[in-house]
Amino acid sequence: EPEVTQTPSHQVTQMGQEVILRCVPISNHLYFYWYRQILGQKVEFLVSFYNNEISEKSEIFDDQFSVERPDGSNFTLKIRSTKLEDSAMYFCASSPGRMQETQYFGPGTRLLVL
Amino acid sequence: AQKITQTQPGMFVQEKEAVTLDCTYDTSDPSYGLFWYKQPSSGEMIFLIYQGSYDQQNATEGRYSLNFQKARKSANLVISASQLGDSAMYFCAMREIGANSKLTFGKGITLSVRP
Repeated sequence: EPEVTQTPSHQVTQMGQEVILRCVPISNHLYFYWYRQILGQKVEFLVSFYNNEISEKSEIFDDQFSVERPDGSNFTLKIRSTKLEDSAMYFCASSPGRMQETQYFGPGTRLLVL
Repeated sequence: AQKITQTQPGMFVQEKEAVTLDCTYDTSDPSYGLFWYKQPSSGEMIFLIYQGSYDQQNATEGRYSLNFQKARKSANLVISASQLGDSAMYFCAMREIGANSKLTFGKGITLSVRP
């Protein structure tokens, strides 16, 4: 059964460093998302991506964040200068369509900023 | 106002019994979707079940069913014949037609299944 994959599973970085989180969505899906979950809290939407451009972003997704689909399979989230409060689990998700379509989540990348 | 409300602090159920996890939602959109996800201690988010706002029947997927009461804006998850592996955090989520497809999550409910 096809699934969303994410790498790395864990990343530890120093405050101010850049990190790139990688995702491979399900191959025939068209919509891609990033969410984050701070430890013990609810899952929060960051950004959605369709047709090689951002379709929506939340207030959390400021200028320090960017997304890219560099080739036909990968979908990346970059944080340019990490802050302590960026420590969270980051989930990538994909769906075949937009409305009424289930979003399938990857296993997550646990990011720790020291 | 919160879009998705999950107020149960933590639930306990005996193995093989049924349990209901509550979820209420708030939207003015006529078309929306409701989802339940399971998050075990390992951290991944596992899709369980989906209910569309125009669906005439309550959704079912194996041991999972959704008690959808549109007038009350509730979408409770019912797990029948609980198993030890059902112990996890459960999140209710909603997608609204005007929200450009993002999911809005509740804060989750912890379920513990006792042997």
